[in-house]
Amino acid sequence: NAGVTQTPKFQVLKTGQSMTLQCAQDMNHEYMSWYRQDPGMGLRLIHYSVGAGITDQGEVPNGYNVSRSTTEDFPLRLLSAAPSQTSVYFCASSLTSGRVQYFGPGTRLTVL
Amino acid sequence: QKEVEQDPGPLSVPEGAIVSLNCTYSNSAFQYFMWYRQYSRKGPELLMYTYSSGNKEDGRFTAQVDKSSKYISLFIRDSQPSDSATYLCAMSDPGGTSYGKLTFGQGTILTVHP
Repeated sequence: NAGVTQTPKFQVLKTGQSMTLQCAQDMNHEYMSWYRQDPGMGLRLIHYSVGAGITDQGEVPNGYNVSRSTTEDFPLRLLSAAPSQTSVYFCASSLTSGRVQYFGPGTRLTVL
Repeated sequence: QKEVEQDPGPLSVPEGAIVSLNCTYSNSAFQYFMWYRQYSRKGPELLMYTYSSGNKEDGRFTAQVDKSSKYISLFIRDSQPSDSATYLCAMSDPGGTSYGKLTFGQGTILTVHP
């Protein structure tokens, strides 16, 4: 049981490039979410999903897309990277919405 | 005003001290209350969670929730250098319009020195 896994661990992008951050969980959790963590800003919710095929926006969704075709996977896509998207990104999952969430190890993204 | 307020510290204590970490909140609909520990360059790790008011103890850690005062606490007894980390409080309203999202405090940086 690996829990929540994220790839890659580190990534450097140039402004305007696109990429996908991968997230997978093997706990059969319905609820998955993406956060970004910035100094002095805490953890902010980007997008979340309450089940396969259902996604919605969080507090800071601009510049990011998500999809949820399976229960296990919840990728986060950066459409056209900007320096403001330099951050640490965490994926999390929980059995249902509003319950305890379990976090992945994070992806450190730098946009030059 | 933020929904959840947490003193960012930093907090520095000697080994063996009792540590008290606190959060206040404004949303009376919050029902689940969690504490996460985050080591440097790692993901948040669930430490304790409680539902509604009351106390919960797990080894050296005790979580308290006072919904009437909108105040939660985490106590660490006999603190160890390995407890040095950032501690994040989080809470959620399972219903309502928040769709169960977690609302986090800013995190308190704790250092326990030998």
